[in-house]
Amino acid sequence: QVQLVQSGAEVKKPGASVKISCKSSGYIFNKSGIIWVRQAPGQGLEWMGWISAYTGDTKSAQRHQDRVTLTTETSTNTAYMELRTLRSDDTAIYYCARDHQKQWLVPDSWGQGTLVIVSS
Amino acid sequence: DIQMTQSPSSVSASVGDRVTITCRASQSISRWLAWHQQKPGKAPKLLIYKASSLERGVPSRFSASGSGTEFTLTISSLQPDDFGTYYCQQYNDSVTFGGGTKVEIK
Repeated sequence: QVQLVQSGAEVKKPGASVKISCKSSGYIFNKSGIIWVRQAPGQGLEWMGWISAYTGDTKSAQRHQDRVTLTTETSTNTAYMELRTLRSDDTAIYYCARDHQKQWLVPDSWGQGTLVIVSS
Repeated sequence: DIQMTQSPSSVSASVGDRVTITCRASQSISRWLAWHQQKPGKAPKLLIYKASSLERGVPSRFSASGSGTEFTLTISSLQPDDFGTYYCQQYNDSVTFGGGTKVEIK
């Protein structure tokens, strides 16, 4: 079955960077994209970006594109999201998800989430 | 950016009730809309894509319709397992999510 397993929780200071990993299994990794979404405590969902595991093309939310880098490592079926210059309002659970097989930019299988806390 | 507005923000209904959630887009998104269900402490789960296509494995009591700027998600007969927060998501132009509708069982 499709599984996406994310790296563990992180605590970072303002101004630092964080890099989250998302390891996929149960499907052919480079036939789908990976979507990144975050959720601040008690808040709704916010799209961060998408990367094609086949081409490496990326599409990021405009408000984050200066601070977000999305990459993949096809040899290990792993996607990464790096967020730089962290602020306290970046505190959130970050999810990776597989792109739907029929609908680009629709997440159909999700990771368990990675909690990132930004605090001095 | 396209804004997505959901209503109501919360609903409390009894088992067996019909529940309808509305999602409005700030501009036309054709039928590029998905619905997700999220339970507390869990990742979201895809229910519907392309406005009305039921994701594999999702119970048939869930249905959805709409196009352009107005969309609805309907639960025909609410079940105890249907509690949670429901989000619409447009993917016509980048991606944005609605603010969510919390469904509680009376």
